[in-house]
Amino acid sequence: EAGVVQSPRYKIIEKKQPVAFWCNPISGHNTLYWYLQNLGQGPELLIRYENEEAVDDSQLPKDRFSAERLKGVDSTLKIQPAELGDSAVYLCASSFGTPPDTQYFGPGTRLTVL
Amino acid sequence: GESVGLHLPTLSVQEGDNSIINCAYSNSASDYFIWYKQESGKGPQFIIDIRSNMDKRQGQRVTVLLNKTVKHLSLQIAATQPGDSAVYFCAVRGGATNKLIFGTGTLLAVQP
Repeated sequence: EAGVVQSPRYKIIEKKQPVAFWCNPISGHNTLYWYLQNLGQGPELLIRYENEEAVDDSQLPKDRFSAERLKGVDSTLKIQPAELGDSAVYLCASSFGTPPDTQYFGPGTRLTVL
Repeated sequence: GESVGLHLPTLSVQEGDNSIINCAYSNSASDYFIWYKQESGKGPQFIIDIRSNMDKRQGQRVTVLLNKTVKHLSLQIAATQPGDSAVYFCAVRGGATNKLIFGTGTLLAVQP
């Protein structure tokens, strides 16, 4: 069974540019999560979707970050405009049902903002 | 609010020895606990989980112990192998939200 797929794996952009990350969750997983992971730190939740609905986006900086999961499967996380402090790894995870259940993570996208 | 901490940022063990990684949490309402392993350049990989109605759970070469009285969680790895070298995170769910709160991580270095 395929795991969580993310692309791109690496992205280097200049500050003030837009960037987008894509995630395809494990087949059949209704819940999808986007996390931010800074170097040496644990992941921090940005947003959680149950099917198409964003049920927890309290930690998403809405002035520059947006996310969507239009058909309840794939998801896109966007940053516009990017700032230097956005350099981090952006992880996508999915789980079968509502919490608490096991979250499976993708490999992440490493973003570098110059 | 919830906070999760690890006692040691780095743990060095000899190949074949047992490893113990500790984690403390602050919210007594926490009801679900997970250990993840993260290798360099990869996402966190699920190892084992435990719910608050249990105090011990075993997997293949791994055991998680939960002490709710002192709000402490540990991961034991038996016969540690070089492939176990990674950063290990505990994550805790509970309180007012359904969020998993991750600790900072412990780097496990296995010496041959």
